[in-house]
Amino acid sequence: GNSVTQMEGPVTLSEEAFLTINCTYTATGYPSLFWYVQYPGEGLQLLLKATKADDKGSNKGFEATYRKETTSFHLEKGSVQVSDSAVYFCALPGYSSASKIIFGSGTRLSIRP
Amino acid sequence: DSGVTQTPKHLITATGQRVTLRCSPRSGDLSVYWYQQSLDQGLQFLIQYYNGEERAKGNILERFSAQQFPDLHSELNLSSLELGDSALYFCASKGTNTGELFFGEGSRLTVL
Repeated sequence: GNSVTQMEGPVTLSEEAFLTINCTYTATGYPSLFWYVQYPGEGLQLLLKATKADDKGSNKGFEATYRKETTSFHLEKGSVQVSDSAVYFCALPGYSSASKIIFGSGTRLSIRP
Repeated sequence: DSGVTQTPKHLITATGQRVTLRCSPRSGDLSVYWYQQSLDQGLQFLIQYYNGEERAKGNILERFSAQQFPDLHSELNLSSLELGDSALYFCASKGTNTGELFFGEGSRLTVL
């Protein structure tokens, strides 16, 4: 079935540093790929998505490119802020049931002022 | 505000007890998903309903059950509770057009 593996955390960076959180996937076909973010004390919310190969999703300065050659969807941001401190989840639909969304294990990001 | 409402926000109970968590999806959304988030932050899919019918099932224990009512709200019932059931339980509804999941703020269950 479909699955996703993401970089383990926690990740601690200084403000204005460059961020990469790795995500690789295993999937039948080319499903949509998602990044969700969970701020402290809140539920998850969609950060960005890509619906087909070579698509780039972007939002709030974050970007991720759907790369079928490397089966990756790495999350990047050029200059992180303290307010980006959160847990980030890579996700994709299940194979046997496309309505089921499978999440990676989450990467906790902390940004130092 | 995602538009998904979950109650209660916090619940403390004892082992062996039974609790019910409630979820109201966003207006117009027909799908409801339940997820369990453990302390190590992993998010486990439990079950999904669409317009009152079960559509997908994950690693949901036999002690747990759920249903979606005609008004589309959903309830997750957890019985014979164990210490290991302590977790955050999230409900989400799926946007019909975007396919995006909208999450509630979660119900934090503590089993003592």
